[in-house]
Amino acid sequence: SQELEQSPQSLIVQEGKNLTINCTSSKTLYGLYWYKQKYGEGLIFLMMLQKGGEEKSHEKITAKLDEKKQQSSLHITASQPSHAGIYLCGAVDLYKYIFGTGTRLKVLA
Amino acid sequence: EAEVAQSPRYKITEKSQAVAFWCDPISGHATLYWYRQILGQGPELLVQFQDESVVDDSQLPKDRFSAERLKGVDSTLKIQPAELGDSAMYLCASSFRGGYTFGSGTRLTVV
Repeated sequence: SQELEQSPQSLIVQEGKNLTINCTSSKTLYGLYWYKQKYGEGLIFLMMLQKGGEEKSHEKITAKLDEKKQQSSLHITASQPSHAGIYLCGAVDLYKYIFGTGTRLKVLA
Repeated sequence: EAEVAQSPRYKITEKSQAVAFWCDPISGHATLYWYRQILGQGPELLVQFQDESVVDDSQLPKDRFSAERLKGVDSTLKIQPAELGDSAMYLCASSFRGGYTFGSGTRLTVV
């Protein structure tokens, strides 16, 4: 079955710094989703990528899907304390929806 | 904007008691999922419905958990009896043509 591995597991950055989170799949991705979760709360949809080489941006967050569609990166520019939380990638494996291992982000003011 | 509704938002229950969660998916979404997320981990699929039929419940602890979606619309997830290890966030999601929407979740604490 397909697995999604995220790196790093956790990240602490100073406010204003850029950062990147990676999501690597064991199989070709046919739709990759990024979510953010505040501690103890539900998932917030960030963006979805489907085509190889696709890149999407929302405010200071940019997500890319590589040409081979096996890896996605989430890049945050000029991080703020409001970016803190857990970032999860998700994908469809056959009829199942699976999640990555998660990246916990802490932004120091 | 259409949302997946879940209730209650928070639930505290004593172990060995019964507890139930409710989910109302986005209208027209035939596929409904229940996930459990233990703090610090990613969500794990408990059960998946296609309309009123269960597609996958292989990870559902069937000795104590049950899920139903009788009319293929809203769904209920029940735990009886609750155990301390059931403390987690229970997330409901629905999908249609590749678009997935999650509810805000029900945070369960078993004491």
